[in-house]
Amino acid sequence: KQEVTQIPAALSVPEGENLVLNCSFTDSAIYNLQWFRQDPGKGLTSLLLIQSSQREQTSGRLNASLDKSSGRSTLYLAASQPGDSATYLCAVSIIQGAQKLVFGQGTRLTINP
Amino acid sequence: DTGVSQDPRHKITKRGQNVTFRCDPISEHNRLYWYRQTLGQGPEFLTYFQNEAQLEKSRLLSDRFSAERPKGSFSTLEIQRTEQGDSAMYLCASSPIGTSPTDTQYFGPGTRLTVL
Repeated sequence: KQEVTQIPAALSVPEGENLVLNCSFTDSAIYNLQWFRQDPGKGLTSLLLIQSSQREQTSGRLNASLDKSSGRSTLYLAASQPGDSATYLCAVSIIQGAQKLVFGQGTRLTINP
Repeated sequence: DTGVSQDPRHKITKRGQNVTFRCDPISEHNRLYWYRQTLGQGPEFLTYFQNEAQLEKSRLLSDRFSAERPKGSFSTLEIQRTEQGDSAMYLCASSPIGTSPTDTQYFGPGTRLTVL
């Protein structure tokens, strides 16, 4: 059974700092890995999708890497801003059938002005 | 295209009542998913449809839960005899057929259910 773990559960940093969020998964047979953002009480917004054959993806100040063999992904955020405060969720897509997403519990990020 | 929509956004009900949620996916998306998210946790898969066929259900979906997708368009999720443990955010997502590894799921805003 695929399990996804995110560390840390919460992170608070001053504005302007660079930071790294971690995600690990137990089964390397994945279709892709995604990072989502969730604001309080809201739905999920996809930030980055890394195909299983890729090593990293970049979008603006975000960079996500994937190491399938070790079952790890990191999300790097440069020059953090208060507007980046949200919960960040990592999810892997199961390779068979529904390609359903298995999520970690999220990292709650607070950027202090 | 306005994205995935869900109705209602919030629902408060008393224990034992039945509730029904609706999800309208992005038009022409063949796949529709339901997830449940409790406070402080990531979403958990409940069920998914490909067109009108319900192809997979999680063990989380007890016999009090039923989902439909008539005509392969909108979907409804009904919970009968609600319990306090059903209190959660119910998220709907849709995606294309899934033949490309870049196909992502697009999520709606969710329905927040509170069972008193």
